[in-house]
Amino acid sequence: DAGITQSPRHKVTETGTPVTLRCHQTENHRYMYWYRQDPGHGLRLIHYSYGVKDTDKGEVSDGYSVSRSKTEDFLLTLESATSSQTSVYFCAISESGFPYEQYFGPGTRLTVT
Amino acid sequence: QQQVKQSPQSLIVQKGGIPIINCAYENTAFDYFPWYQQFPGKGPALLIAIRPDVSEKKEGRFTISFNKSAKQFSLHIMDSQPGDSATYFCAAGRSNDYKLSFGAGTTVTVRA
Repeated sequence: DAGITQSPRHKVTETGTPVTLRCHQTENHRYMYWYRQDPGHGLRLIHYSYGVKDTDKGEVSDGYSVSRSKTEDFLLTLESATSSQTSVYFCAISESGFPYEQYFGPGTRLTVT
Repeated sequence: QQQVKQSPQSLIVQKGGIPIINCAYENTAFDYFPWYQQFPGKGPALLIAIRPDVSEKKEGRFTISFNKSAKQFSLHIMDSQPGDSATYFCAAGRSNDYKLSFGAGTTVTVRA
């Protein structure tokens, strides 16, 4: 998976609790992305980062926040988890000059009960 | 609202058949059209990509056809094998906008 790890790989949490997912890369790529994958919806962009401390919203950003304090780490936080946020979350990276060639991590399966 | 519409949702073919997946878009600013392949339990992986200045691109048994006037593109898997069974996503992106819009995905099953 191109030097990308995600943690945890599986998590079950209760409604209303905060949750943080971590993406770590060893490729020194500039761009990092968080997607969620749901049946019938494909991959939908939550947030993305184009450098340290530089982030922007994607198409489904409500209820999520992100932070990137180091090139290698991109954190996704669900501030107060809801059942609609039950999903598989993927992190992806791409490098300058090839922004469309995204490399995906192995995913985190999150269940909110 | 999905910017890239993908069909069918799923399809089943016999070994050696040619599954065809179609995608359509509206935004004429899109200028990069990749396809991703995803096996169960794994992240998507870039398979093949095309730009609108060519009408066809082949990589091994995978072929992308592109129709700029119709704003459609498709993936053909020639001589399909059971190992090609996976979910395929089309996507579209724009220059200087480092994001991709993905289709909903097509699950392809190749029967031996």
